[in-house]
Amino acid sequence: AQKITQTQPGMFVQEKEAVTLDCTYDTSDQSYGLFWYKQPSSGEMIFLIYQGSYDEQNATEGRYSLNFQKARKSANLVISASQLGDSAMYFCAMRPVKAAGNKLTFGGGTRVLVKP
Amino acid sequence: KAGVTQTPRYLIKTRGQQVTLSCSPISGHRSVSWYQQTPGQGLQFLFEYFSETQRNKGNFPGRFSGRQFSNSRSEMNVSTLELGDSALYLCASSSRTGDNEQFFGPGTRLTVL
Repeated sequence: AQKITQTQPGMFVQEKEAVTLDCTYDTSDQSYGLFWYKQPSSGEMIFLIYQGSYDEQNATEGRYSLNFQKARKSANLVISASQLGDSAMYFCAMRPVKAAGNKLTFGGGTRVLVKP
Repeated sequence: KAGVTQTPRYLIKTRGQQVTLSCSPISGHRSVSWYQQTPGQGLQFLFEYFSETQRNKGNFPGRFSGRQFSNSRSEMNVSTLELGDSALYLCASSSRTGDNEQFFGPGTRLTVL
């Protein structure tokens, strides 16, 4: 079974500053994928970034980067140069690679509010 | 390319009724997954369909069921609604099962009175 923990229920960040969202996970699987999604108030989940457990380098997608520390079982999301539109809920999720299917296990989420 | 569409967007039902929610995946996508999101339990996986076959099922009672049609559109049905079924129901599509990227729809917000 997989478990995702996001310990920050909510946080404020100043516009144009960077913010790090914490995510730790627990799994017995050797091969797995880690995901981050953004959920604005509209409700739709927006895919941000993906990291495979065997990827050598940390994933980056524009202003998003994933700080992956396998030994610590952490996959923190870093958002650089925050914008007002970044205000949303952010979810960390994982899926074992060996298992057939797209079942994602989500963390509880972190609410980010960007201040002007 | 049109995104994932879910209908209806909002729904109000009373206890004991049943409800059917619909999800149309992105054109060409054959995998559809359903999730329930509540303030108390967070996001929980309901089931996944791929090429009209259920591939995975979450830990939900049998009142929750689903199906997928030959055009990849999917429906989920909840029978004998309970107050605790009030939630945002999200549908996600991907081109294949085990895909790295899933595209979510806007969700259907179900309120059970």
